[in-house]
Amino acid sequence: QKEVEQNSGPLSVPEGAIASLNCTYSDRGSQSFFWYRQYSGKSPELIMFIYSNGDKEDGRFTAQLNKASQYVSLLIRDSQPSDSATYLCADDQTGANNLFFGTGTRLTVIP
Amino acid sequence: KAGVTQTPRYLIKTRGQQVTLSCSPISGHRSVSWYQQTPGQGLQFLFEYFSETQRNKGNFPGRFSGRQFSNSRSEMNVSTLELGDSALYLCASSLGRINEKLFFGSGTQLSVL
Repeated sequence: QKEVEQNSGPLSVPEGAIASLNCTYSDRGSQSFFWYRQYSGKSPELIMFIYSNGDKEDGRFTAQLNKASQYVSLLIRDSQPSDSATYLCADDQTGANNLFFGTGTRLTVIP
Repeated sequence: KAGVTQTPRYLIKTRGQQVTLSCSPISGHRSVSWYQQTPGQGLQFLFEYFSETQRNKGNFPGRFSGRQFSNSRSEMNVSTLELGDSALYLCASSLGRINEKLFFGSGTQLSVL
């Protein structure tokens, strides 16, 4: 199992700002990348996934993937207090039929 | 469509005991993965089952075991519990193909005293 690394935070941003969450991975064979959001005391829920280099947008969320740099990020535009949660990055790693997670970045959006 | 169901929601055990956790996947999903989540270590992969066969296993001792039934429901067993086994145990289901998204249950919070 190779590493998926995230800055644990906490990351604090004011309401309405852009929150930028970053993740690096070590397995060059990883093909798929996922962002999960986990509220305190709840289970992770999928918010974005990305397979190809470049950007993928879904509402206020944009996932960015750079396979050459082994870097994936999540941008949250117009951040809301309800976005306050831990964000988990995951990849599929070569030959695996399951996902491997980073330790998560805790985001706090300040009203 | 019902989501992933895990039972029980909470468990309190003492050291040395054993415990069995249950997971019912989303209808039609044939893969069930188990994860252990602790504040310091994050989500750590335990094992994954597909069509009653264990396909992948993480770096956990043999005290942790699992199985999957023909209806895709899965159980996880931990024997000879240790204090360090206290954690949230999450089950996730998927169709089981490569690059698949995982859908998580609410988890079982296990406390070992």
